[in-house]
Amino acid sequence: NAGVTQTPKFQVLKTGQSMTLQCAQDMNHEYMSWYRQDPGMGLRLIHYSVGAGITDQGEVPNGYNVSRSTTEDFPLRLLSAAPSQTSVYFCASSGRKLAGGPGNEQFFGPGTRLTVL
Amino acid sequence: DAKTTQPNSMESNEEEPVHLPCNHSTISGTDYIHWYRQLPSQGPEYVIHGLTSNVNNRMASLAIAEDRKSSTLILHRATLRDAAVYYCILRDVGYGNKLVFGAGTILRVKS
Repeated sequence: NAGVTQTPKFQVLKTGQSMTLQCAQDMNHEYMSWYRQDPGMGLRLIHYSVGAGITDQGEVPNGYNVSRSTTEDFPLRLLSAAPSQTSVYFCASSGRKLAGGPGNEQFFGPGTRLTVL
Repeated sequence: DAKTTQPNSMESNEEEPVHLPCNHSTISGTDYIHWYRQLPSQGPEYVIHGLTSNVNNRMASLAIAEDRKSSTLILHRATLRDAAVYYCILRDVGYGNKLVFGAGTILRVKS
């Protein structure tokens, strides 16, 4: 299994440009999430999905859109990039398990480093 | 989500045990204690979790106070590869994949 894959690894955008960060998992996980991590800080949840066709907002959703048309893929779209969106973006997935049970751990991708000029 | 408090940083010598503390005085009865770590330039990875009893796995041990208001992640023999940011996170027992990350503890390991 490849686990959680993210593309691209690095991206530089100009203010106002749009782009899509790709995330895919091959573990048949129902849950997928997007987080952003700013320098020296913990991760913050942007959007998440509990299954194909179902998405919801996290802590910092403004400026981002998501969709979940398949179990495997969960792309994150930046509609009009701003310098405040310069960050490292992590995608994660987990199975539909109780928080305290086995198999509930989240698997994270390697991240996409985004710079907005 | 209930809040956790961790020291900003800790330092350890290689091959020695490391005890990483976490305070969670507002923990509810249905909150599980999860630990993740983030190696430099990587995404976080799961370490261990528990509810009331102490837990062991191949990576670490988790010691939970009797009143559950604090816990300690124990690395039995620190290696240079254990240098990372360690996050203590509380999660409700129900279904859900939301993790609320704090700043975590930066662990430095000296050779």
